[in-house]
Amino acid sequence: SQQGEEDPQALSIQEGENATMNCSYKTSINNLQWYRQNSGRGLVHLILIRSNEREKHSGRLRVTLDTSKKSSSLLITASRAADTASYFCATDVVRNSGYALNFGKGTSLLVTP
Amino acid sequence: DTEVTQTPKHLVMGMTNKKSLKCEQHMGHRAMYWYKQKAKKPPELMFVYSYEKLSINESVPSRFSPECPNSSLLNLHLHALQPEDSALYLCASSQDSGRGRPENEQFFGPGTRLTVL
Repeated sequence: SQQGEEDPQALSIQEGENATMNCSYKTSINNLQWYRQNSGRGLVHLILIRSNEREKHSGRLRVTLDTSKKSSSLLITASRAADTASYFCATDVVRNSGYALNFGKGTSLLVTP
Repeated sequence: DTEVTQTPKHLVMGMTNKKSLKCEQHMGHRAMYWYKQKAKKPPELMFVYSYEKLSINESVPSRFSPECPNSSLLNLHLHALQPEDSALYLCASSQDSGRGRPENEQFFGPGTRLTVL
């Protein structure tokens, strides 16, 4: 089962606008990561936030984490057409004899010129 | 070199064929992963190798057989697949803390687009 659930499922904005995506999860985590995937290609790591962190920045990206609400948000500021992609949050979960990443359902972002 | 390579890019196979997917990384990562991704869905974990040993098998059918010949290579052997196995197969690698916990980012390859006829 998927640990993370993103919303919205799809988001359409114009260039220059900000895009906000949210992720909720169910169990305790060690860290939460955000990945981007361009259509039909591999995933690219964007940012990792640890459970003892509340906010993290990387360029035009801002991630927040609220462990009390078991939620995270990804903000992309001043969006560009090149930001068009699917965005997934991923949490680390215990799986049988080890640990793995569990990806949420993703948000499909369309940025129009 | 921060790249994970996967071959082939595309593969079409019949249900009676035997084929293999290959993945390679030269970043010194000791954890490697296979994921399956259907269209408009998130990646689903299939297998995890840690220090060349299989540490997680997500109850994947035996028609998928992983192999880790050395720390840089990961194979996925395919035999008697079904049409519903058609998907994008992604390989990834990451540093391993020694406890198998994914505390670091995963680096993904571009994937192999598999079609089973």
